[in-house]
Amino acid sequence: TQLLEQSPQFLSIQEGENLTVYCNSSSVFSSLQWYRQEPGEGPVLLVTVVTGGEVKKLKRLTFQFGDARKDSSLHITAAQPGDTGLYLCAVNLRGKSGGSNYKLTFGKGTLLTVNP
Amino acid sequence: NAGVTQTPKFQVLKTGQSMTLQCAQDMNHEYMSWYRQDPGMGLRLIHYSVGAGITDQGEVPNGYNVSRSTTEDFPLRLLSAAPSQTSVYFCASSKGLAGVTDTQYFGPGTRLTVL
Repeated sequence: TQLLEQSPQFLSIQEGENLTVYCNSSSVFSSLQWYRQEPGEGPVLLVTVVTGGEVKKLKRLTFQFGDARKDSSLHITAAQPGDTGLYLCAVNLRGKSGGSNYKLTFGKGTLLTVNP
Repeated sequence: NAGVTQTPKFQVLKTGQSMTLQCAQDMNHEYMSWYRQDPGMGLRLIHYSVGAGITDQGEVPNGYNVSRSTTEDFPLRLLSAAPSQTSVYFCASSKGLAGVTDTQYFGPGTRLTVL
């Protein structure tokens, strides 16, 4: 069973469109992170959300942590070709199982293609 | 700062061969991790280290060994390569507990093919 379910798996849109991708779980987390991975590169952290209901904005990207801290969404306004990449959500299992566990677990990601 | 560096960038092995993937960071980070990324499987944690001399297993540790003799270096060893180990390997480091307080920085990856 996948701890983090990301949807959609693939998304291809035209430049200028808006989009939302989701990261869902049945578990509660103390924090959640979003990463973007460009082809041939390692993931790069975009944001960490820690409070239920929290909304963070990074230019045209808006991140929201669910009120119950079980899910999160990423909304991109007026997508550009430079937004193309794999968007990954991740959680630290320390928040789930307690103790000194240090295991960052990733969802499978949403592969976004923005066409010019 | 160079950040997290990985060598080699590409590697082809034959089944049964051994090799070491190198990872180094110059940010004085305590925490370092190795992940593998496979199509449709996402990033999966292989091994991690919370400091020099301390390592622990992640989600998919079988077939891999690690050691952490210095803060800077965290090599990943494949003792007897198998085709199932064909993957892209990423090393990452963070100052603290990634996902809780600190940013995890990833290297550029090593693309390994085992024939």
